[in-house]
Amino acid sequence: AQSVAQPEDQVNVAEGNPLTVKCTYSVSGNPYLFWYVQYPNRGLQFLLKYITGDNLVKGSYGFEAEFNKSQTSFHLKKPSALVSDSALYFCAVRPVTGGGNKLTFGTGTQLKVEL
Amino acid sequence: KAGVTQTPRYLIKTRGQQVTLSCSPISGHRSVSWYQQTPGQGLQFLFEYFSETQRNKGNFPGRFSGRQFSNSRSEMNVSTLELGDSALYLCASSPILSGGAANEQFFGPGTRLTVL
Repeated sequence: AQSVAQPEDQVNVAEGNPLTVKCTYSVSGNPYLFWYVQYPNRGLQFLLKYITGDNLVKGSYGFEAEFNKSQTSFHLKKPSALVSDSALYFCAVRPVTGGGNKLTFGTGTQLKVEL
Repeated sequence: KAGVTQTPRYLIKTRGQQVTLSCSPISGHRSVSWYQQTPGQGLQFLFEYFSETQRNKGNFPGRFSGRQFSNSRSEMNVSTLELGDSALYLCASSPILSGGAANEQFFGPGTRLTVL
């Protein structure tokens, strides 16, 4: 069975500063990893995914994520945060083989960007 | 392309009733998955349908069921509602049933179910 841990319930950062939202995972075999963002009263929006290859993945709205196989981590980063980035962020994992499209999500991290 | 649509957006029911939620995937998408989101349990997978067949199922009681139609639209049904069923129910669509492809899922806005 797979699992995802997001150790921080909330991350606070000042606008213009870099941000990191942490994610570690556990899965049998190789993983596909995803980041989604959720704004209030909305569904989840896809940000980026890791398939294979480069450990640094670039996604939407200036976000990127770094895959580290030895640490089983997939941290979300952005060089310069915006107030509009304030939202709930979810990391998700799916094994490369088996399980169809079923995603296992972390508990989410609330990002708050302040002026 | 239109996104994933879910109807209704809000529902209020009482304990013991049943409810049916509807999801229309993105045009051309054949896989539809359902997730339950609650503050306590987070996002949990309910089931996935592809070509009118349930392909995966999460750890939910038999009161939760679903189906998919030939046009890929999907419905989920919850019978004998309990207070704990209050949640945001999210539908997600994907072009294919994985098969090793890292296709992302596209989520609808959800249906907010409140059970009184």
